Amino acid sequence: AQSVSQHNHHVILSEAASLELGCNYSYGGTVNLFWYVQYPGQHLQLLLKYFSGDPLVKGIKGFEAEFIKSKFSFNLRKPSVQWSDTAEYFCAVTQYNFNKFYFGSGTKLNVKP
Amino acid sequence: GAVVSQHPSWVICKSGTSVKIECRSLDFQATTMFWYRQFPKQSLMLMATSNEGSKATYEQGVEKDKFLINHASLTLSTLTVTSAHPEDSSFYICSAAGTASYEQYFGPGTRLTVT
Repeated sequence: AQSVSQHNHHVILSEAASLELGCNYSYGGTVNLFWYVQYPGQHLQLLLKYFSGDPLVKGIKGFEAEFIKSKFSFNLRKPSVQWSDTAEYFCAVTQYNFNKFYFGSGTKLNVKP
Repeated sequence: GAVVSQHPSWVICKSGTSVKIECRSLDFQATTMFWYRQFPKQSLMLMATSNEGSKATYEQGVEKDKFLINHASLTLSTLTVTSAHPEDSSFYICSAAGTASYEQYFGPGTRLTVT
């Protein structure tokens, strides 16, 4: 079965700091990769996704992620975080047929104003 | 964007009773719906996948007789927790996908507390 690892459980940053959240997965075949965000009191929203092509994917709100196949990684980045980025971030992976989503354990990001 | 609702948003029930949670896609037809369970400070755990008009596919370790899933229409799926016990207390989240199943839209979740 798939597993998705998010090594940073809780990250605290000051505004304008750069962000990188790690995500690693275990499946060796073709995968589709996602980052979701859950703002306090809200439901999950899609930040960005990767299916194929350019391994550097740009999403909403200035986020981007890079797929590195050799490292089984899909790290999320943002050059300069804002207080409004305070949320929980989940990495998710599906196999080629999209039938199942496997989520990482999530990373809580706190951005101090 | 597509909207998915869940009802109720929270429910408290007594041990031994059954609880039904509804998941609706409000502005699109959901060919596939997913049910997740989220424990405190943990990730979402996929419980089952349901396709309209067919039986749900349950993940390993999920009791299908305890967590009854029905996907009777393209806009509604229900999860019934039967004979609930305190250990079933959790946050249940549904998501719905249209024809391109990678586009999952999540509901706001239902907090179930079994006393």
